Parts: sequence; structure tokens; C-alpha cells
Amino acid sequence: ETGVTQTPRHLVMGMTNKKSLKCEQHLGHNAMYWYKQSAKKPLELMFVYSLEERVENNSVPSRFSPECPNSSHLFLHLHTLQPEDSALYLCASSQDGFGTGGSPLHFGNGTRLTVT
Amino acid sequence: AQTVTQSQPEMSVQEAETVTLSCTYDTSESDYYLFWYKQPPSRQMILVIRQEAYKQQNATENRFSVNFQKAAKSFSLKISDSQLGDAAMYFCAYRGGGTSYGKLTFGQGTILTVHP
Repeated sequence: ETGVTQTPRHLVMGMTNKKSLKCEQHLGHNAMYWYKQSAKKPLELMFVYSLEERVENNSVPSRFSPECPNSSHLFLHLHTLQPEDSALYLCASSQDGFGTGGSPLHFGNGTRLTVT
Repeated sequence: AQTVTQSQPEMSVQEAETVTLSCTYDTSESDYYLFWYKQPPSRQMILVIRQEAYKQQNATENRFSVNFQKAAKSFSLKISDSQLGDAAMYFCAYRGGGTSYGKLTFGQGTILTVHP
């Protein structure tokens, strides 16, 4: 399924670098999400955007900065990261925004981030 | 807060046999949705099956079926006639039905190995 596309697939960055992760959904969905997947830990929700408005910031450090310019695109801007931020970052989208329907999330392939 | 628990870190099954993956959850909500996702080595999270809490009938999708026990807060996944392509990490996930938009809470995952 290519409904949700993430780039780059792999990223290695130093602690002083600034980089951005990109996500694009081609499904006409209204909501987009960033999740962090670390080894031996459940997926952690980072941010939720519904109709381009951020509706949840799940206590994420300010070195992660999301941006949602329109309902099809989502970015995660990274700066001064720490080695413990190394993880797989997954983007997802869903049909509904607030509340109803129980629509499933559709995920991209993720960006494997390594912070050196 | 909702929690999702998968008590089996790893499971294995012979090809063509049946395997059941366990999931329990904790919630005070009466309206919610439950999902099973599969994550193969390609890293993309793929929706396997979806269950609405208000429906008593267990969801089925081809070789995949669930045993949903609402009172016990249990949601197990049964894979029949297992195939080599079923090998993956399986995640159980919970989504509230109220104003919790699309936020999914995931379990820790179960690694499924399929032996030829």
C-alpha cells in the first residue's frame, strides 16, 4: 500500500544537526499522526493533527517540532536531538478527525532515525 | 488512561496450523474500537482486523478472526492455516469512541514466527 509515503527511509544525524521528516498521504484523510517506535517499547503517540490543527502534543520535547501545512502533508522538524531519540518514526493518517467512526489508521513505512 | 497488554512477547506456529495471540486492555469507556496490526520486516504497519465494541459478533477477515470478550476486556487474534507470509510483529491497539479522535494505544507487540 502506498497511501502514506514517508521520506527519508533512513536518516543519520549528529546531535547538532537540523533535519526534517516528511509524510504525505494520498487517501483524502482528515487526520495525521506521528508515532515513535523504540525497541522493546510500545508505540508512542507524539502528535495528532485534525484538519490541519494540532489537537494533541503528547508531552514531546521541544526539539521535535511538527508542521502540517495542509491535510495531505505532515513534517517533523528535528534539532539538537539526543542519542535516545534514535527510533523508527511512523506517520499515519485516518479518515475522521474528531471522535466518531473508529476509522483505522493507515501507516507509512517509517523513517529509521539514528542520532550519533 | 487506557492500557493494552500483550503477554506473549514471542509465538511460533507451523505452516498450515492455527495460532492465537492474546491481548487484554483496560478502559472505563463503553464505546471503543479494537484493532490488530501486523508489522513485517518492511516496517509498515498493516491493518489486519477491526472490532467495534458495541458489536457482539466477532470480526473475521479471511483466515483472521478475533475472540472479543467485552466483560473480560480480552481481544485475541486467531490465525488459521498459517502461512510463511504471516510472520511479523503483531500489535493489538485500542481507540476510544468519544472525542479521542484517532489516538491509538498500542500493546507491546508479539513476534510471530512461522515454521515451514
